Amino acid sequence: EDQVTQSPEALRLQEGESSSLNCSYTVSGLRGLFWYRQDPGKGPEFLFTLYSAGEEKEKERLKATLTKKESFLHITAPKPEDSATYLCAVLTGGGNKLTFGTGTQLKVEL
Amino acid sequence: DTAVSQTPKYLVTQMGNDKSIKCEQNLGHDTMYWYKQDSKKFLKIMFSYNNKELIINETVPNRFSPKSPDKAHLNLHINSLELGDSAVYFCASTSDTQAGEQYFGPGTRLTVT
Repeated sequence: EDQVTQSPEALRLQEGESSSLNCSYTVSGLRGLFWYRQDPGKGPEFLFTLYSAGEEKEKERLKATLTKKESFLHITAPKPEDSATYLCAVLTGGGNKLTFGTGTQLKVEL
Repeated sequence: DTAVSQTPKYLVTQMGNDKSIKCEQNLGHDTMYWYKQDSKKFLKIMFSYNNKELIINETVPNRFSPKSPDKAHLNLHINSLELGDSAVYFCASTSDTQAGEQYFGPGTRLTVT
């Protein structure tokens, strides 16, 4: 069975303090790895797609990277508005099924 | 202009009741999903439909019955509600060519008392 594990569960940063979130996976037939952001009381919002090891994607202060076993979401000089839960998910199989990790709850303080 | 909408946003009901949640998307997507997010924020797929056809049916109690009248709508009916059904239910949609890039609705918070 596909497994996705995210760490840490929660992370508290000061504004401007860069860090990384980890997503490790054990799957058969990875078709893609995806990062989502979820704000309290809202549905997840798509951020990035990564298809192959070595691939990187960037958006503002976020950069996602992928290896054969894990993905990192790097947050550079975060701001309070980056506070959210970040979810990673893997797409496997032929039925377009996303398996999500348990998320990292990020809080950025002034 | 809302892309994926769900009704109701909140649903409070008693054990044993039957309730429905409705979802609509105006993105022209072919595939729609129902997810359940528990109190620990774990998001788990329940069902998916592609162009009104059931594609994914995870291990959920048969008290849960999805229905897709057309490819823009996906409803979820729950019979004989139990305390453990309390959760946030999300609808999502995607195009066939971008299956992992899913658009989620705002969620329906179901509380069973």
